[in-house]
Amino acid sequence: AAGVIQSPRHLIKEKRETATLKCYPIPRHDTVYWYQQGPGQDPQFLISFYEKMQSDKGSIPDRFSAQQFSDYHSELNMSSLELGDSALYFCASSLTGGARNEQFFGPGTRLTVL
Amino acid sequence: SQQGEEDPQALSIQEGENATMNCSYKTSINNLQWYRQNSGRGLVHLILIRSNEREKHSGRLRVTLDTSKKSSSLLITASRAADTASYFCATDMRMDSSYKLIFGSGTRLLVRP
Repeated sequence: AAGVIQSPRHLIKEKRETATLKCYPIPRHDTVYWYQQGPGQDPQFLISFYEKMQSDKGSIPDRFSAQQFSDYHSELNMSSLELGDSALYFCASSLTGGARNEQFFGPGTRLTVL
Repeated sequence: SQQGEEDPQALSIQEGENATMNCSYKTSINNLQWYRQNSGRGLVHLILIRSNEREKHSGRLRVTLDTSKKSSSLLITASRAADTASYFCATDMRMDSSYKLIFGSGTRLLVRP
């Protein structure tokens, strides 16, 4: 079965640079989520999109923005990178509408800011 | 953690033994899910239990939910070395249009061969 795809898997950037992370949700899933997991931390919700519209925001810095495109893939744009942005970034997708909210996670992008 | 605590934070057992991990949460829930994460890798969905369910099984996994105590437990029976990973519980919180997952701090499980 198709899973959530994220690219790149690893990314190394310098401070103050910009990074773009991509996510391709499971086909027919209508909701995409972004989470950030710092070293030794639990994942933290950043932002979500429902049917290509931003639906909810969590603890996402103003330096970050995200969007979802017509083909449902999503991109997380991160500018003015800081050392503290080094983390695993997960994308998840789900099919909303039932009582269940199983979110299926991609393999993550490991961002290292030097 | 936003969610609460997972207990224990780390667990080391011998292959073949059972492993029990506990999770407490703070808010009312719709569902509670358990995920597994191998070191520095992706989150794998293990099992979902609804707020009106008390127990659920999937293979060697058994999950219980006590909404009165706001707690859940994950039992892995007959553990294998390949079960070595971090295990997270996550509850879903309703937002405007979707649900976000709120994760516990995780339990690091080491299964010794």
